[in-house]
Amino acid sequence: GDSVTQMEGPVTLSEEAFLTINCTYTATGYPSLFWYVQYPGEGLQLLLKATKADDKGSNKGFEATYRKETTSFHLEKGSVQVSDSAVYFCALQTGANNLFFGTGTRLTVIP
Amino acid sequence: DAGVIQSPRHEVTEMGQEVTLRCKPISGHNSLFWYRQTMMRGLELLIYFNNNVPIDDSGMPEDRFSAKMPNASFSTLKIQPSEPRDSAVYFCASSRTSGGPRGDQYFGPGTRLLVL
Repeated sequence: GDSVTQMEGPVTLSEEAFLTINCTYTATGYPSLFWYVQYPGEGLQLLLKATKADDKGSNKGFEATYRKETTSFHLEKGSVQVSDSAVYFCALQTGANNLFFGTGTRLTVIP
Repeated sequence: DAGVIQSPRHEVTEMGQEVTLRCKPISGHNSLFWYRQTMMRGLELLIYFNNNVPIDDSGMPEDRFSAKMPNASFSTLKIQPSEPRDSAVYFCASSRTSGGPRGDQYFGPGTRLLVL
């Protein structure tokens, strides 16, 4: 079945460090891929997405490239800030309208 | 845009009581999703509706849980009777299936439920 596997956390980084959160997927067909972010006490928000192979999604300094050959959609940011501290969820969507979410990766950025 | 509205934001109840959670999706969205989030199990999809019709309720834990969507602007998730293991944050989300990007789900702020 369709599924997403993402890097287990928690991840703790110093401000201005480089961030990578790994995400790989298993899917039939050609899924769309998403990263959602959840700030403390809030619901999830769409951070970025890519709908086909080799597409790059980007937002707020975060990027992820849809790699069909490695079935991956790793999230990266060149220089994290304290305000990026949150839980990050990788997700995929195939034919139906629902999303399959990963387990989430908690990021803490310290000053 | 008002965003997805959920009520109540917090609910504390005693075991055995009925709990009703409410959701108003974004106007124009025709898909609605109920999720449950716990530390142990993460984010779980309970049920989702397209055009007010339940499409997949395989995530509903047991018969104590029921969900309805009587019209395009309102949905409820009911737990009767409630148990301590139902304590969690319940999220409602909505999206479009046409006329816009699919898969862009918009989440409400959640209802934090504590069953004593």
